[in-house]
Amino acid sequence: DAGITQSPRYKITETGRQVTLMCHQTWSHSYMFWYRQDLGHGLRLIYYSAAADITDKGEVPDGYVVSRSKTENFPLTLESATRSQTSVYFCASSEGASQPQHFGDGTRLSIL
Amino acid sequence: KQEVTQIPAALSVPEGENLVLNCSFTDSAIYNLQWFRQDPGKGLTSLLLIQSSQREQTSGRLNASLDKSSGRSTLYIAASQPGDSATYLCAAWNAGGTSYGKLTFGQGTILTVHP
Repeated sequence: DAGITQSPRYKITETGRQVTLMCHQTWSHSYMFWYRQDLGHGLRLIYYSAAADITDKGEVPDGYVVSRSKTENFPLTLESATRSQTSVYFCASSEGASQPQHFGDGTRLSIL
Repeated sequence: KQEVTQIPAALSVPEGENLVLNCSFTDSAIYNLQWFRQDPGKGLTSLLLIQSSQREQTSGRLNASLDKSSGRSTLYIAASQPGDSATYLCAAWNAGGTSYGKLTFGQGTILTVHP
């Protein structure tokens, strides 16, 4: 089915571990985004990408790494997970910088 | 730095009422304002996007207005239904500098519509 999918939907891991969250979209949208959603902070942009091999930092990039070797995929990696990175992570995509963003269903990540 | 505030934080109404959700932003240098709906455990669904040159957008029972000069947007829901129950988020599209194309979200209004 067309759309944007995130995997896994739920993940529990331990501090210090590396974890990768996957995002895949079937629309061939140029722009892709990663947000985290936390109580008291709302949604905050972590990283975004304007095209394959082009990425840029958002508001809260520390502790995260992204890559975009293919237009349809935009994985987010926590290189050494910390408890403060426990959150719900959303991936989004859009045709262009001024086009509506479409969101996946999120990954709920718990770091013990 | 752009800040987006939504009032009220929660709203509970009986079915059939018309209601207004408010969104305010501190930096009027935006080029879009977008309203989303979020159901529990789900992602965000785009409802309406208002470009900076527009004053309002309508989709079915939803109408969103934008007043850049006062830093305000409102989402009007007509004849509310229990299926409208969700969290409603507004997001300002920031223009200029390093914030170009990035959204700043409000914390949302939790809407409950009782049968």
